[in-house]
Amino acid sequence: DQQVKQNSPSLSVQEGRISILNCDYTNSMFDYFLWYKKYPAEGPTFLISISSIKDKNEDGRFTVFLNKSAKHLSLHIVPSQPGDSAVYFCAVNQGGKLIFGQGTELSVKP
Amino acid sequence: ETGVTQTPRHLVMGMTNKKSLKCEQHLGHNAMYWYKQSAKKPLELMFVYNFKEQTENNSVPSRFSPECPNSSHLFLHLHTLQPEDSALYLCASSQLAGGLPEQYFGPGTRLTVT
Repeated sequence: DQQVKQNSPSLSVQEGRISILNCDYTNSMFDYFLWYKKYPAEGPTFLISISSIKDKNEDGRFTVFLNKSAKHLSLHIVPSQPGDSAVYFCAVNQGGKLIFGQGTELSVKP
Repeated sequence: ETGVTQTPRHLVMGMTNKKSLKCEQHLGHNAMYWYKQSAKKPLELMFVYNFKEQTENNSVPSRFSPECPNSSHLFLHLHTLQPEDSALYLCASSQLAGGLPEQYFGPGTRLTVT
């Protein structure tokens, strides 16, 4: 059974609006959460992370929210730009290993 | 070179061939990883090396054979592969022992088995 799930395979957003990508996990013992971005023909690029002791981490246009009681993680991108169009993976740390979700393809339309 | 590099970027091989994938990290990290990404699936961890020692083999078939001669280089030797092994193979590195768990990925090798 998948420990990390991204239930939306794709998301389409207008340029300038907010993009919200969601991720659910099963194990309350996970202590560190990450988001990666992947363009076609490239490897995933680390974007932003959050420790389980926090509920929010912000870096420029990117903010990650952690809701531990719901075992839910989200990434907000605002304002969205066409260059943000990519596949976004959430990942959780388990003893130094990363477990990835299946990804959400974000399309930002001009 | 900076970051994590992988060669070749594309590889087509028959089921009876032997080939190798190469990964090199220029980040001074001490852990290296091989992942497989098949279409519409999450990244699957294959192998983990810490300080050149293999610490994880995620039930990978023996037709995939990793080699880590030092902390900067990682190889994946391939032999008698099956068409279902066609995928994107990604290498990553990270700093263990006090570092954060972020892993840094190479661009991947797109493998096609015919």
